[in-house]
Amino acid sequence: DSGVTQTPKHLITATGQRVTLRCSPRSGDLSVYWYQQSLDQGLQFLIQYYNGEERAKGNILERFSAQQFPDLHSELNLSSLELGDSALYFCASSVLEGAAGYTFGSGTRLTVV
Amino acid sequence: QKEVEQDPGPLSVPEGAIVSLNCTYSNSAFQYFMWYRQYSRKGPELLMYTYSSGNKEDGRFTAQVDKSSKYISLFIRDSQPSDSATYLCAMKRGNSGGSNYKLTFGKGTLLTVNP
Repeated sequence: DSGVTQTPKHLITATGQRVTLRCSPRSGDLSVYWYQQSLDQGLQFLIQYYNGEERAKGNILERFSAQQFPDLHSELNLSSLELGDSALYFCASSVLEGAAGYTFGSGTRLTVV
Repeated sequence: QKEVEQDPGPLSVPEGAIVSLNCTYSNSAFQYFMWYRQYSRKGPELLMYTYSSGNKEDGRFTAQVDKSSKYISLFIRDSQPSDSATYLCAMKRGNSGGSNYKLTFGKGTLLTVNP
């Protein structure tokens, strides 16, 4: 157990729907990162939060949004889902904002049908 | 051209072999270099982390960075069946400011070590 908790582990939903993925960072970690992993693209950075504030954005679609709450847990919201959104979504956390090494959770496997 | 290129393999070796995994990159701004190991149905786990050029050793693992050639390597000595996993290289530009915080990953190399 890495200490980073992601729920749910698996999610199957239909096209056009909206889902929320949840992440609880390791105790003491202030920074949360979201990544998407697919077979063709590999691990792609989506967005980063530090102590409740958005700090960096990657290749995140406009249909996707995220936030980090005062208790430091984070949620990734995916809406108007398409078949191509099917992927593994990982959350990672670190103590420092620019830490080179993150701790990853076990991921949420999203399947859009 | 992708920023980070990694041969996806698969790579299959006998137990006890020396394994060499490699990545090349195009962005000379990368300063921090990492290797992650990912077991099936698990999240990536940090194995090695180096700053700038040089070698770093940790047990059976050695990471090498050659910034002049934009080439990084991970060597695994005396490989074990438990080393069977996907190995991902990752790189980062700096330690301050926006996009410097993100890691850019290779696609990963699938390694199988046969008993």
